[in-house]
Formats: sequence, structure tokens, C-alpha cells
Amino acid sequence: DVVLTQTPSTLSATIGQSVSISCRSSQSLLDSAGNTYLYWYLQRPGQSPQLLIYLVSNLGSGVPNRFSGSGSGTDFTLKISGVEAEDLGVYYCMQATHAPLTFGSGTKLEIK
Amino acid sequence: VQLVESGGGLVQPGKSLKLSCSASGFTFSSYGMHWIRQAPGKGLDWVAYISSSSGTVYADAVKGRFTISRDNAKNTLYLQLNSLKSEDTAIYYCARRTGFDYWGQGVMVTVSS
Repeated sequence: DVVLTQTPSTLSATIGQSVSISCRSSQSLLDSAGNTYLYWYLQRPGQSPQLLIYLVSNLGSGVPNRFSGSGSGTDFTLKISGVEAEDLGVYYCMQATHAPLTFGSGTKLEIK
Repeated sequence: VQLVESGGGLVQPGKSLKLSCSASGFTFSSYGMHWIRQAPGKGLDWVAYISSSSGTVYADAVKGRFTISRDNAKNTLYLQLNSLKSEDTAIYYCARRTGFDYWGQGVMVTVSS
């Protein structure tokens, strides 16, 4: 199975600060058709996860543009440009290039 | 788009349970659907997938014990959980298509004697 390693596991940020979360894959997530099935989710406390970014860098519906995704192959990054209070929670990356689908272990964002 | 799970509860090891996910706000029959679970205080684990044409795929941990199915006439997704183990204790979420663009609120399954 593909292992996704997220760093850091915990992140503390002030309002307005920009932060980045890394997601590294044990295998390339580029498939033979040239697609990279890497996604990012936010799970706020007590809520279901919500889609933030799909296919590495595409913003989900209704997601603020302070969120952005980048990367290729095995290295991917989620960036929040100007953290807001509502951004606290746990962030997960997920890959769907290789079966079975796997998630990273999560990065908890705390607001100072 | 709305996904609403039901059917969770407390069940003894070795017993069975059937979860439902009622879908609305989109053409259910056109989409593949997934079940994902989250053990208490833990991360997310993919469980099973059913395509729009009812092809299925399972995680190794549940293969042979869980069955995913769908009833397009009722706009409902199901997960039959058999031979339950304590490690199956989790919140179970249904989610639309690969990419999980919409999630339900989740339903708790507790396996304990």
C-alpha cells in the first residue's frame, strides 16, 4: 500500500500567518495517463471532513483562495496564505492513484 | 447535495449490522460511492467503493466480512457489516465519488461485549 507521510504532525499558527503542510508519498502518484490523484481535506472539530483541494492543485467548491496545493510525483504541499480562526482542525492528504486509497496520518492546526 | 447515514449502534463481536446512506440533491445513479471510517481519536481509513455500475472494491481489513451495495431507485447506499470485531469500532462516513467531494455526517458503530 502507498504510505503518505504528513509533516508536521502539529502546527501552531497566529491569525494571518502563512503555513505549509507537506505530504510525501512512498510511490509516485503520477499514473500512466498523466493524472495525479492527490487530494487534501480539512476536518474541523466534531465535523465530517471536507474537500479542500483535488488533483494536486484545484480548489474545491466554495473553498477560500487562501488555500493552495502544489507538488508532483511524490512530494506535495498544502499552503494556507493567511490563517484564519476557522482553519483550525486536522488536515489530511489522500491518494487515489494506487489501490487501496490511502490517507496521510493528519496534521493538526492549532491557532495561537 | 446531502448524504445522511443511519443504522449505527452498539453490537457484540461476531454480530452483524447494516448501515445506510440516503443521498439527495444529485443524480445518485451516476456516481460511484465510498465508505470511509474513523476509529475514535484516529485518522481516516478507506473501507469500500461501489461504482455507478455496481462494481465493488474493498480494503483488505474488511474483505469477506463487509458488503457494499446500492439501490438506485431508493437513492441509497448500504454497507453490510458481518463478523464484526472490536477494531471495526469507528464512525462510518459515506462519501460521493473518488475525491470525496461530499461527505455524510457519519454514523457510530461500536463493537463491544
